[in-house]
Amino acid sequence: DSGVTQTPKHLITATGQRVTLRCSPRSGDLSVYWYQQSLDQGLQFLIQYYNGEERAKGNILERFSAQQFPDLHSELNLSSLELGDSALYFCASSGSIEREGPTDTQYFGPGTRLTVL
Amino acid sequence: DAKTTQPPSMDCAEGRAANLPCNHSTISGNEYVYWYRQIHSQGPQYIIHGLKNNETNEMASLIITEDRKSSTLILPHATLRDTAVYYCIVRPLRRGGNKLTFGTGTQLKVEL
Repeated sequence: DSGVTQTPKHLITATGQRVTLRCSPRSGDLSVYWYQQSLDQGLQFLIQYYNGEERAKGNILERFSAQQFPDLHSELNLSSLELGDSALYFCASSGSIEREGPTDTQYFGPGTRLTVL
Repeated sequence: DAKTTQPPSMDCAEGRAANLPCNHSTISGNEYVYWYRQIHSQGPQYIIHGLKNNETNEMASLIITEDRKSSTLILPHATLRDTAVYYCIVRPLRRGGNKLTFGTGTQLKVEL
């Protein structure tokens, strides 16, 4: 158990809909990362938040957005869903340099499997 | 970030050591080598990381060549539960964290 939790485990929805995925990082971790894993694209970085602020962006679509709340949990919002958005979505967290030294190891949650019909 | 090259697949007999190679010939001096694995659609699991010295933990050993252009992950006594995709990742450190860039990894199959 990595200490990172994600809800829901599975999500089935229709095209055009909007969903919210939730991630709770390990206790005390300041950084939250979101990754998408689809069959044809592999694991891809979407976005990172650090202590409530957006820190880095990857290949995240404009239809997707995320935020990190004061209690450090994060949500990934996916809107106007398309069939191609079906994928596993993983959240990872890591501590601060002050806490863990300079290596910033990321620990992953179990993921949310999104199916768009 | 430096690019890595790994064999697409490897087989290993249960109880034997599994040696997974990774080439990272363009690695920079401030970049660490990380290894993760993913067991059948579960979340990637951290295994080990290193900068230039060899490292060992309860899961594995990491051997980094002196020129740092390649490394080997060693699972000393592979079991069926070690069957997974293993990812070698090279990344620099940044204050406040830094993304992981996953390649295609090595599919390790441990057999009886």
